[in-house]
Amino acid sequence: EVQLLESGGDLVQPGGSLRLSCAASGFMISTYGMTWVRQAPGKGLEWVSFISASGTITYYADSVKGRFTISRDHSKNTLYLQMNSLRDEDTAVYYCAKRDVPQGYGMDDWGQGTTVTVSS
Amino acid sequence: EIVLTQSPATLSLSPGERATLSCRASQSVGSYLIWYQQKPGQAPRLLIYDASNRAAGIPARFSGSGSETDFTLTISSLEPEDFAVYYCQQRSNWPITFGQGTRLEIK
Repeated sequence: EVQLLESGGDLVQPGGSLRLSCAASGFMISTYGMTWVRQAPGKGLEWVSFISASGTITYYADSVKGRFTISRDHSKNTLYLQMNSLRDEDTAVYYCAKRDVPQGYGMDDWGQGTTVTVSS
Repeated sequence: EIVLTQSPATLSLSPGERATLSCRASQSVGSYLIWYQQKPGQAPRLLIYDASNRAAGIPARFSGSGSETDFTLTISSLEPEDFAVYYCQQRSNWPITFGQGTRLEIK
């Protein structure tokens, strides 16, 4: 059974940093493109970042480019999102999700989310 | 960036009725359009990919159609568990973008 378990969310002051983790089980993250998607309180979904199966390609939303870094540790089968220079508007539930090639690159498995609150 | 506009923002219907949700893209996305369902406190669930293909385990009452810039998600006969928020997403161009969502509520 595929499972994704996010952790690392916390209350942090503006300008601070956090590292989110997404531990995968039931599949190898090295064989799938992985994404981070966030959802601000009461708002819709916003795509944040993507890393390819090979790890050689990464993309970021303009709103986080230069501040966030996506990475993976194959030995731990874990996806990360390093978030620096955090802003109030980064407050959200952060989900990791697996992109499934046979299902049109749809995100078919999601974690339960981890909450990041940026506030002084 | 491709902007996706969903309509209506809220749809009020009764169980057993037919629901029609729309997603319009600011430029052509071909057939690279995906639909998700999200219930309160839960992660999104993949429903439809490539505009018209049901994801694994999705009931046949859910169907998708459309191409280029205009897409529709149809739920043929609403079940109580279908009342949720629905999002479209395009994967034609980076950055991936989502629509703002349609809330399907019980009338």
